[in-house]
Amino acid sequence: QKEVEQNSGPLSVPEGAIASLNCTYSDRGSQSFFWYRQYSGKSPELIMFIYSNGDKEDGRFTAQLNKASQYVSLLIRDSQPSDSATYLCAVTRNTPLVFGKGTRLSVIA
Amino acid sequence: KAGVTQTPRYLIKTRGQQVTLSCSPISGHRSVSWYQQTPGQGLQFLFEYFSETQRNKGNFPGRFSGRQFSNSRSEMNVSTLELGDSALYLCASSLVQGSYNEQFFGPGTRLTVL
Repeated sequence: QKEVEQNSGPLSVPEGAIASLNCTYSDRGSQSFFWYRQYSGKSPELIMFIYSNGDKEDGRFTAQLNKASQYVSLLIRDSQPSDSATYLCAVTRNTPLVFGKGTRLSVIA
Repeated sequence: KAGVTQTPRYLIKTRGQQVTLSCSPISGHRSVSWYQQTPGQGLQFLFEYFSETQRNKGNFPGRFSGRQFSNSRSEMNVSTLELGDSALYLCASSLVQGSYNEQFFGPGTRLTVL
């Protein structure tokens, strides 16, 4: 059973701080890793994907992957109240995506 | 370019009934995946269609079925509805099978089973 684990939260951070979201996965053969953002009542929106060990930066977002530890994280710098949402981690080894249950992030103004 | 559309957006059914949900992918996208999202289980994969053929299937009972038409539009059907089928059903389209970095979700259909 392939599993993706995330802390459900809520993770509360003050505006302007760095939010750190974490995800672990059980399938060592996983090859691609995705972070989706889902606002309440809306559908998921892809914000980052990463394939290789290390960091990948896109604006205020940085995805970090450590395949040896089976760990992927998402850092959000200069967090804004508009970042308040549920963040879903998803992994695949070229099979349909397996999603974690998400971490709810709350950015306090 | 128009996004993924799903109809209907909301649906209320009773146990034992059946339901059909529709998904129109982004123009040019040929792969459609369906997911079920519930508070308890999260987002779970139902099936994926590409070129009118089911390519992958998740761990759901046979009551859940789908199909894809030549214009890439897809439908999913749930027969003999159960209370536990109440969920948000999401479809996602991508250019080709397995291009998950280019997978876009529709707004979903909220199904309530009474």
